[in-house]
Amino acid sequence: DIKMTQSPSSLSASVGDRVTITCRASQSISRHLHWYQQKPGKAPSLLIYGASSLQSGVPSRFSGSGSGTDFTLTIRSLQPEDFATYFCQQSDSSPWTFGQGTKVEIK
Amino acid sequence: QLQLQQSGPGLVKPSETLSLTCTVSGGSISSSTFYWGWIRQPPGKGLEWIGSSYYSGSAHYNPSLKSRVTISVDTSKSQFSLRLDSVTAADTAVYYCSSQDYFYGMAVWGQGTTVTVSS
Repeated sequence: DIKMTQSPSSLSASVGDRVTITCRASQSISRHLHWYQQKPGKAPSLLIYGASSLQSGVPSRFSGSGSGTDFTLTIRSLQPEDFATYFCQQSDSSPWTFGQGTKVEIK
Repeated sequence: QLQLQQSGPGLVKPSETLSLTCTVSGGSISSSTFYWGWIRQPPGKGLEWIGSSYYSGSAHYNPSLKSRVTISVDTSKSQFSLRLDSVTAADTAVYYCSSQDYFYGMAVWGQGTTVTVSS
């Protein structure tokens, strides 16, 4: 199985901050990498697909980059509604696997 | 707009079978190009992909669950289902259905069903 490792596991930030979350795959996954946001008690919601494509309806302050094994999710200016947990997921090889999550908390 | 609605029991006894159904609306289950699948999340933990099936019945599963899991698609009812046999307390989790694509990710999700395995 491909192991997905996110860092950090949690972070504290203020409204307006630029936030960066990284995701590393244990082997190359090309650009078959997706990012999700999950709020407590809710289903995950797709933010970025194909490493860098913004899902319809997602604010442009979210962006993704990377290919191969190293990927980044950036939130340009953190908003109050962005405090949540973020997961990366690879679909290059079955079984599809998720990172362990990064919890973004209010500073 | 594509929507998924989950149904099924929230309590299952140990050694019995967990069965959940996801109903597709706002689009055709048989004309879509992506897979229909299930993910679970144990309490306070991360996400685990269970498996997925194309509408034609071609399915693939997580090897960690493969011996116990079946995902099936009923195009006449616009539904797909999860069956997990011989459950234990370790199968207690929130279960989600979703549309799944290797390039476009998991774009549409059901609301989630909390399933507790307990006698």
